[in-house]
Amino acid sequence: NAGVTQTPKFQVLKTGQSMTLQCAQDMNHNSMYWYRQDPGMGLRLIYYSASEGTTDKGEVPNGYNVSRLNKREFSLRLESAAPSQTSVYFCASSAPSGGSTDTQYFGPGTRLTVL
Amino acid sequence: AQSVTQPDIHITVSEGASLELRCNYSYGATPYLFWYVQSPGQGLQLLLKYFSGDTLVQGIKGFEAEFKRSQSSFNLRKPSVHWSDAAEYFCAVVPLGFNKFYFGSGTKLNVKP
Repeated sequence: NAGVTQTPKFQVLKTGQSMTLQCAQDMNHNSMYWYRQDPGMGLRLIYYSASEGTTDKGEVPNGYNVSRLNKREFSLRLESAAPSQTSVYFCASSAPSGGSTDTQYFGPGTRLTVL
Repeated sequence: AQSVTQPDIHITVSEGASLELRCNYSYGATPYLFWYVQSPGQGLQLLLKYFSGDTLVQGIKGFEAEFKRSQSSFNLRKPSVHWSDAAEYFCAVVPLGFNKFYFGSGTKLNVKP
């Protein structure tokens, strides 16, 4: 049982390049989330998916797109990376009932630098 | 404005000393409350959570937190800190009727030998 896995762990992009961050969970969770973490700002929600086939915007969705590929996988895409998107990105998932009050389980993070 | 505040950015305590990390929230009704810990280079791990009932909540690793409605606070405590507790700690809330977590900005804990 690996929990929540993320790839890659590190990535350096040039401004304007695109990339996709991958996330997968093996806990049969309905809900999945993408956050970014910046110094002094805690975690901010980018997008979330309450269940397979649905996605919704969080606090800071601009510049990002997501795909809930199936129940296990939730990817985050940067179409045209900007230096302001330099951050650590975390994927999380929550328990089978999918309720917002359920504990969220986090992946190890992806550290992205945009030059 | 609705918010989660962790007023201490950095805290340093000596090993064996007691610890209290502060968290205040400003939401209309009592939200669901969480504390997470993040070790360097790692994701977040749940320490404890409060939904309702007993206002003193026990968590993992010897941590506890007390919900005080009158102060809109959910402070994290540990009676005796170990060097392995050095990490960053995040308070999080889920307001009633909302569908999302809101995190505080975090408190970095250093532990002196």
